[in-house]
Amino acid sequence: ETGVTQSPTHLIKTRGQQVTLRCSSQSGHNTVSWYQQALGQGPQFIFQYYREEENGRGNFPPRFSGLQFPNYSSELNVNALELDDSALYLCASSRVLSNEQFFGPGTRLTVL
Amino acid sequence: QKEVEQDPGPLSVPEGAIVSLNCTYSNSAFQYFMWYRQYSRKGPELLMYTYSSGNKEDGRFTAQVDKSSKYISLFIRDSQPSDSATYLCAMSSMDTGRRALTFGSGTRLQVQP
Repeated sequence: ETGVTQSPTHLIKTRGQQVTLRCSSQSGHNTVSWYQQALGQGPQFIFQYYREEENGRGNFPPRFSGLQFPNYSSELNVNALELDDSALYLCASSRVLSNEQFFGPGTRLTVL
Repeated sequence: QKEVEQDPGPLSVPEGAIVSLNCTYSNSAFQYFMWYRQYSRKGPELLMYTYSSGNKEDGRFTAQVDKSSKYISLFIRDSQPSDSATYLCAMSSMDTGRRALTFGSGTRLQVQP
């Protein structure tokens, strides 16, 4: 069984740029959630995708957007990057609307 | 006040000790409770998942939930240096459709050989 994978591993961007992060869900899972984890903090929920539609969003501005594809993989897009966007971005997959979420290794984003 | 409170530590114990990690929460809608282990610069790994009040055991790990006190615990028996990591509690509600997890800030555990 293949686990959750994310790409890239690390990314460095400058303020104002745009970034796209990618996630492949674990086999058999059709729900994908994205979280932001600042240094020394717990992950914070950004949004969740189910059946290719956003299924709930946390307290993040519209410049954070996403997509889910028919194969259940997902993208997180962040526009107009700010210094505070520097964090570990985590993708988690689960069976349909299950609370048991399995995380990928994350993408570490640094905004300069 | 945060919805989920967790002592950040660090908690340092000798190898073989029993470790107790705790979280308190304020939102009575939380019904599902999880413990994750996170090694440095890695993604969180699901250790325990519980729904009802009471205890759940899996190997050296025991998760305890007390919904009346809004308090959850994770016990690690016979702790090993490889248990050194940050432990995150997480919880979610029965909100129809969405299953967003709300995390504590994590407790850093160091098990000394």
